[in-house]
Formats: sequence, structure tokens, C-alpha cells
Amino acid sequence: DTAVSQTPKYLVTQMGNDKSIKCEQNLGHDTMYWYKQDSKKFLKIMFSYNNKELIINETVPNRFSPKSPDKAHLNLHINSLELGDSAVYFCASSQDLRDRDDTGELFFGEGSRLTVL
Amino acid sequence: GQSLEQPSEVTAVEGAIVQINCTYQTSGFYGLSWYQQHDGGAPTFLSYNGLDGLEETGRFSSFLSRSDSYGYLLLQELQMKDSASYFCAGRGGYQKVTFGTGTKLQVIP
Repeated sequence: DTAVSQTPKYLVTQMGNDKSIKCEQNLGHDTMYWYKQDSKKFLKIMFSYNNKELIINETVPNRFSPKSPDKAHLNLHINSLELGDSAVYFCASSQDLRDRDDTGELFFGEGSRLTVL
Repeated sequence: GQSLEQPSEVTAVEGAIVQINCTYQTSGFYGLSWYQQHDGGAPTFLSYNGLDGLEETGRFSSFLSRSDSYGYLLLQELQMKDSASYFCAGRGGYQKVTFGTGTKLQVIP
């Protein structure tokens, strides 16, 4: 059983299009994230949700809209795609990080490679 | 906010020991984690230091010094399969985990 699964794995699209990436976790975690990894391998947090509530929005353009229908799902919709959006997008989940006794381990999905032409 | 700096690349010989450093500037710091990422793969958790000192997990050890805002990952008995990128990650408040700049480790025969 895949713990954190995201679809699609690959996405190739034209500039200006709208696309979505879906993420689901079966670990029973309270918190889910979206990270963007660019061509230089920098892993940058975009959003964090805890029990369906937005906790972190790291100055991401409004074209990116996360949606969490329940705590096991966190989807990412991107409007008006730009060339600079080309990257690998990773979904992750963890226990509630406010529990300092927990290791705070993030469990990552396999990534969705987005290429904007 | 948080920023975590790492050397961009490190090369080491199979069977040797290598240390990957991480210096950080952060507020509301809870602890430091380390992740491994092979090319084309997802980051996977290696270790977490919530307190100062050394944590050992098999061939890997991780160290944290809060007073120096510094940590490191130590890999012993290097194997070819250890060739990967390694990221330190600072755990802060508000459910936030910020990743370092990443170190690409190349293990050579």
C-alpha cells in the first residue's frame, strides 16, 4: 500500500493552461504539505494544511490554489501556467508537528513532474 | 523565517566516512532533520535531533548544536548506493519544515 500517492506522475502542458495534481495519504496524518523542487533541487514549501485548515501559505502566487476536502487529501490546482512553474511538486504528510516529542518525519509522495512548454 | 545552508557537493571514497554540514538561521526552532533523495526519487527521512548531541542510526549519525546553530550528518562505511542528495530540514513553529540547500554526495570507488 502506497502511503502518500500523488497523480499524475508526469504532466506536460502548454503555457496558459490550467492543471491539477491530486494527493492522498493513508497514514492517518493530520498535516499535509505541498513542496516545489526546482531544477537546482531546492525544496521549497508552498502550503501546509492541518485537519483541512490552511496553516502555511508561503507567498505563492494566487494562480496556485490548494484544496483539502478532508484530512487525507490535498489537491493542488494551478491556473494560467507559466514556464517558471516547471518543477517537481511533492506532496507530503506528517503527524501534527506541534507534538515536540514526535520526530516530525515527513512522508513524501513520489512527485509530479510538471513541464510547461 | 528560516534559512539552512549546506555545501553544494561532496565527493568521498567508498568505505570512507563523510560529514555533511548544515548551518541555520531560524526563529522558533524545534529541531533538525535529515533526508536522503536519490535522483528521480522522493526525499526519505533519515534522522531527527530534537536535543543537542549525537543520534546514531546504523551507519548514519546526526549531530546538533543549538548554541552554534549547526548540525551535521555523518555517513560511515560509505557505499555506492549512498550517492544521493542530502537535505537538512529545520522544524519550526506553525507546522513548518524548511529544507536546506541540499548536498549532492558522490561516492567513488
